[in-house]
Amino acid sequence: TQLLEQSPQFLSIQEGENLTVYCNSSSVFSSLQWYRQEPGEGPVLLVTVVTGGEVKKLKRLTFQFGDARKDSSLHITAAQPGDTGLYLCAGANTGNQFYFGTGTSLTVIP
Amino acid sequence: DTGVSQDPRHKITKRGQNVTFRCDPISEHNRLYWYRQTLGQGPEFLTYFQNEAQLEKSRLLSDRFSAERPKGSFSTLEIQRTEQGDSAMYLCASSLLLSSYEQYFGPGTRLTVT
Repeated sequence: TQLLEQSPQFLSIQEGENLTVYCNSSSVFSSLQWYRQEPGEGPVLLVTVVTGGEVKKLKRLTFQFGDARKDSSLHITAAQPGDTGLYLCAGANTGNQFYFGTGTSLTVIP
Repeated sequence: DTGVSQDPRHKITKRGQNVTFRCDPISEHNRLYWYRQTLGQGPEFLTYFQNEAQLEKSRLLSDRFSAERPKGSFSTLEIQRTEQGDSAMYLCASSLLLSSYEQYFGPGTRLTVT
């Protein structure tokens, strides 16, 4: 089983603070995705990273794929209450099977 | 196209009954995936289709679980002889073949087995 561990599991911060979520595995993935999920809804794709060392920015969100394609991070600058949700990373192997991380539940307090 | 849709959104059933869920993917998407998500966990991959072919089913949770996509469009997931441990959110996702890592999820079907 290709496990993806996310840390922290829970995070509660004040509006305006910065935060980083980590996604780690001992396995190599051909690509890695980050999703955000609201309660009672399906995950919504935020970004896909494919190349080791790749960095992508989406407004206040910065995503990085590790050089060895085993880990990734999500950094949010100046968090807002609208960023509240469950953040999930997911890795795809060459067999097109997807493995999701355990999730990070973020609460941004106004 | 309004995205991936799933029906029903909620299902309550008694233990031992069979249930079937439907997923309608984004119309031009070749690939369709089923996942199960329990409370506090990330989605767990179950199976996927490329058009009408089921390319991976070894990760279906037991032989009580089966999925079909007979015409390469919508798909159904059936659970026979439901157990309380089957209570979960069942998610469907679809993607294009050439960008298969970009999956778009439906809202899910919440199953409660009493």
